[in-house]
Amino acid sequence: TQLLEQSPQFLSIQEGENLTVYCNSSSVFSSLQWYRQEPGEGPVLLVTVVTGGEVKKLKRLTFQFGDARKDSSLHITAAQPGDTGLYLCAATPGSGNTGKLIFGQGTTLQVKP
Amino acid sequence: NAGVTQTPKFQVLKTGQSMTLQCAQDMNHNSMYWYRQDPGMGLRLIYYSASEGTTDKGEVPNGYNVSRLNKREFSLRLESAAPSQTSVYFCASRFARERGTEAFFGQGTRLTVV
Repeated sequence: TQLLEQSPQFLSIQEGENLTVYCNSSSVFSSLQWYRQEPGEGPVLLVTVVTGGEVKKLKRLTFQFGDARKDSSLHITAAQPGDTGLYLCAATPGSGNTGKLIFGQGTTLQVKP
Repeated sequence: NAGVTQTPKFQVLKTGQSMTLQCAQDMNHNSMYWYRQDPGMGLRLIYYSASEGTTDKGEVPNGYNVSRLNKREFSLRLESAAPSQTSVYFCASRFARERGTEAFFGQGTRLTVV
């Protein structure tokens, strides 16, 4: 059982469409991160959110941390083929900083031209 | 700009063989991690070392051992490899004294156990 549940696991859309990926848990997190991974590479950080209710924008990507710090969403506006990849949420369990870092099972996004 | 370096990049083992995956970082990070990645499973934490001199079990530690050799190096050992350990292994490091610091990853080791 994954502590971080991502949905959907797979998403295939046309260029120009909008999409939202969710990361949910029953546990509280001191911070939550979103990473993107391309084939043959390690994940690369997109954003970190640390405050409940926080919203961060990165060009066409909008990230939100839930008020209770148990869930997060990633919204992409007008998706492009270059957005194709594996999107992973990651978090440090608990309210402190134990150093532990766990990941969700990932959302594979395919954007077709 | 080496960052996190993992060796080897590819390895094929026979069931029952042992091997050690090496990881080194040059960013003076205090925390280091070993993950495995299987299709549809994201990254699962095997072991981590929050600081030099400490190691802790993650989500899937069975069949593995680790050594934090010094601040730079964190190795993962498979004592008796099994086909279920066929996976891509990633090492990562970060400066984890503050909330939400970025983890940096190596290129991965693709391990096949036959």
